[in-house]
Amino acid sequence: DQQVKQNSPSLSVQEGRISILNCDYTNSMFDYFLWYKKYPAEGPTFLISISSIKDKNEDGRFTVFLNKSAKHLSLHIVPSQPGDSAVYFCAASFNTNAGKSTFGDGTTLTVKP
Amino acid sequence: DTEVTQTPKHLVMGMTNKKSLKCEQHMGHRAMYWYKQKAKKPPELMFVYSYEKLSINESVPSRFSPECPNSSLLNLHLHALQPEDSALYLCASSGPRGQGEKLFFGSGTQLSVL
Repeated sequence: DQQVKQNSPSLSVQEGRISILNCDYTNSMFDYFLWYKKYPAEGPTFLISISSIKDKNEDGRFTVFLNKSAKHLSLHIVPSQPGDSAVYFCAASFNTNAGKSTFGDGTTLTVKP
Repeated sequence: DTEVTQTPKHLVMGMTNKKSLKCEQHMGHRAMYWYKQKAKKPPELMFVYSYEKLSINESVPSRFSPECPNSSLLNLHLHALQPEDSALYLCASSGPRGQGEKLFFGSGTQLSVL
């Protein structure tokens, strides 16, 4: 039973437009959500996170939205840049314990110049 | 220094070989992890060390043997691996509770078992 799902394996957008990456989860006990970005041949790097007590967190071009009732979160990137092309993993954890993170399968974002 | 350093970057080994993967961090993190990642799949947790003691073993076969010599180092000893063990092996660390909500990953060791 996959508790964190990213239903879109890939997404392609034009440079300058908005990229929206989606993530759904099934376990209502998750209380902390993170997005990681991964380039080929590198480890994932932390991008942005949100606690379950919030519904939005913003950091520059990146905004994460959380809809607890729908068990859904999304990552918005505005404006998208070619350097944003990477695999994006959604992760969920309990009690902000990184070691308990459950990852989604990832979405490959391609930003075209 | 916010880096997690892994060596080697690439490793090719036969099924009868013994090799070790190494990981180092100097962020003062007391939790360190080994993950395995197959292509187009999410990282899968293998082991967790907390304060240099093994706290989680996710039912990993005994041909993988972790070791934490001190708070900055984490090793993964490999012996008699199978071709299906070929994958990217990622080391990660995290800070203390309350600051430990995110993982810092190394670049990984791409392992090929022949």
